[in-house]
Parts: sequence; C-alpha cells; structure tokens
Amino acid sequence: QVLLVESGGGVVQPGRSLRLSCAASGFTFNYSAMHWVRQAPGKGLEWVASISYDGTYKYYADSVKGRFTISRDNSKNALYVQMNSLRPEDTAVYHCARQQYYYGSGDAFNIWGQGTMVTVSS
Amino acid sequence: EIVLTQSPGTLSLSPGERATLSCRASQSVGSSYLAWYQHKPGQAPTLLFYGASIRATGIPDRFSGSGSGTDFTLTISRLEPDDFAVYYCQLYNRSPPVYTFGQGTKLEIK
Repeated sequence: QVLLVESGGGVVQPGRSLRLSCAASGFTFNYSAMHWVRQAPGKGLEWVASISYDGTYKYYADSVKGRFTISRDNSKNALYVQMNSLRPEDTAVYHCARQQYYYGSGDAFNIWGQGTMVTVSS
Repeated sequence: EIVLTQSPGTLSLSPGERATLSCRASQSVGSSYLAWYQHKPGQAPTLLFYGASIRATGIPDRFSGSGSGTDFTLTISRLEPDDFAVYYCQLYNRSPPVYTFGQGTKLEIK
C-alpha cells in the first residue's frame, strides 16, 4: 500500500524549534523527489520545501528560507523538515508529498500524506 | 514570479450539475507544468490532472482538464456528493524550482 505518514507536530512557542518526519512505504522512495506543503488555518496550500531523490538539491519557499531545513534518509524511507525560529504564521497542517515525473507531460505530486498540525503560540 | 488566480472563490451547485473552475496564470506557462488537486478537510490532497489535461490514475472521466497559455479549466460534468471539496491548480516552474498553488476554489453543495 502506497502511504506517507507525517509525525512530530504539536504546540511550540515562538522562536523554538520542531522537527517533522514523514514515513514512506509502498513506492521507490529513494528514486523520488519529495516535498513539504503546508496549509494554514482557513488558507490554501503553500509549497514549503523540496529535496531531490538523493538529497543533493534542496529548495525552499522565501517564507521559510534560512529557518527550515529539509533532509531525507533513504535507508529508512524517511523525509524530515527541521523548523527553527518558528513564528505564529508557521501555524499550519504540514503535508509531505511525492513528486512524480510523467515523461513528456511534466511533474505533479501524486502521493500525499494526511498531514501533521503545528501550532506556534505562546 | 508567476501568480495563479482561481475563480470563483466559492461555487455553490447541486449534485448532477456541471461545475467549471478557472485557473489563470499571470503570464503564459507550458501546459506540462499545470496540475489540479482535490482537497477535502482532514484528508490528503488528491492529484486529479497533470500536464493540464491528463487524468491521474483512478480519476473518473466526469472530470476533465483543459487549457493552455494563461487560461486553464477544470470541469466536472455531473457533480456527485463526493465531489464537493476545495480544488487547487498548481504550477511547476523548473528554473528556479518553484511550485505555486492557486488560492483554491471551494465547491459547496447548494
């Protein structure tokens, strides 16, 4: 069964840190680029960060650049995001997603997790 | 930076009706880089279309995607109760790699 399961969410004070994890199963994780996407309460989806299949390339949204670090452990089929200097505006459900390349037809996120909630509040 | 604008913000329709959702880009984009997703509260989003018009695995044929350049459309020919959700378009820009979502269209039961 193809599955992505996020964990590590919770309530944290502004300025503190949190690490989210995403466990993958049922597909070739070590061949897949992966992403974090978040949804703040009452808002739409926002792409947060991406990492290439081997961890070489990492990209971030401007809103989290310098504060968040995406990483992966292919031996464990796991994706992570280290979130430092958290702000109230980082409050959101965080989803991990797998990028699928469709030859000649572009890319899209074809597998998603249900998400884990992060609340930044004093 | 390319901005995606979806309209309408909310669409109120009844089961059996036809739904037409719009996604407009601030500048011309290749259709290969446009995707559509369905998202229900508390669930994982579901990929509907990639390449603007290619249906993802398991998506019923009452859903169709079309468009090119700056204007893209998601059409649901005959709404079923399970179709009421929020729909997002997404643009993938290769250089630099940025994945922009539209603000979403909420499809609600009238």
